[in-house]
Amino acid sequence: DAGITQSPRYKITETGRQVTLMCHQTWSHSYMFWYRQDLGHGLRLIYYSAAADITDKGEVPDGYVVSRSKTENFPLTLESATRSQTSVYFCASSESKTGEAFFGQGTRLTVV
Amino acid sequence: QKEVEQDPGPLSVPEGAIVSLNCTYSNSAFQYFMWYRQYSRKGPELLMYTYSSGNKEDGRFTAQVDKSSKYISLFIRDSQPSDSATYLCAMTTDSWGKLQFGAGTQVVVTP
Repeated sequence: DAGITQSPRYKITETGRQVTLMCHQTWSHSYMFWYRQDLGHGLRLIYYSAAADITDKGEVPDGYVVSRSKTENFPLTLESATRSQTSVYFCASSESKTGEAFFGQGTRLTVV
Repeated sequence: QKEVEQDPGPLSVPEGAIVSLNCTYSNSAFQYFMWYRQYSRKGPELLMYTYSSGNKEDGRFTAQVDKSSKYISLFIRDSQPSDSATYLCAMTTDSWGKLQFGAGTQVVVTP
């Protein structure tokens, strides 16, 4: 199916564990993004990428790592999960840098 | 102070009414303005996209941008219960497409 897919949809993990959230898009969009959504904060940018092997930090990057070896994939890794990283994570992609981004369905992560 | 301010609501209106939503922002470099609709437990869905100041209409939806006042609006005419969702404003400069979001306004349209 065309579009942007995130996996898993739901994840419970323990404090200190490493967790990787997957994001795959079929449009060959150059730009990809990871946002987290929390009550009272809205959507905040974690990391973004302009192309394969080009990534940079967003507003809240601490504790996260990304990679982009292929245009279509943009995994987000929590190196050592903390309770403050309990959130809903959204991946998005865009054809241009002017903001028409398309979002995945989200991954609901709980860190216990 | 947040770069983008949006009243979180909830905003409750009867079916058929006009829904009026707005955001204010502080960064005069923003040039591209969007409205996203988000249903519960779903990802944001792009609703309207506007470049610079002006109006844009798409069916029952009208987006307005006033850059001189740093103010954007979304109007929904003839609202339906299916319009019940959270509406997020978002904006960006042309820097890598990084979006700055408002907190989102929850809208409830009652039959």
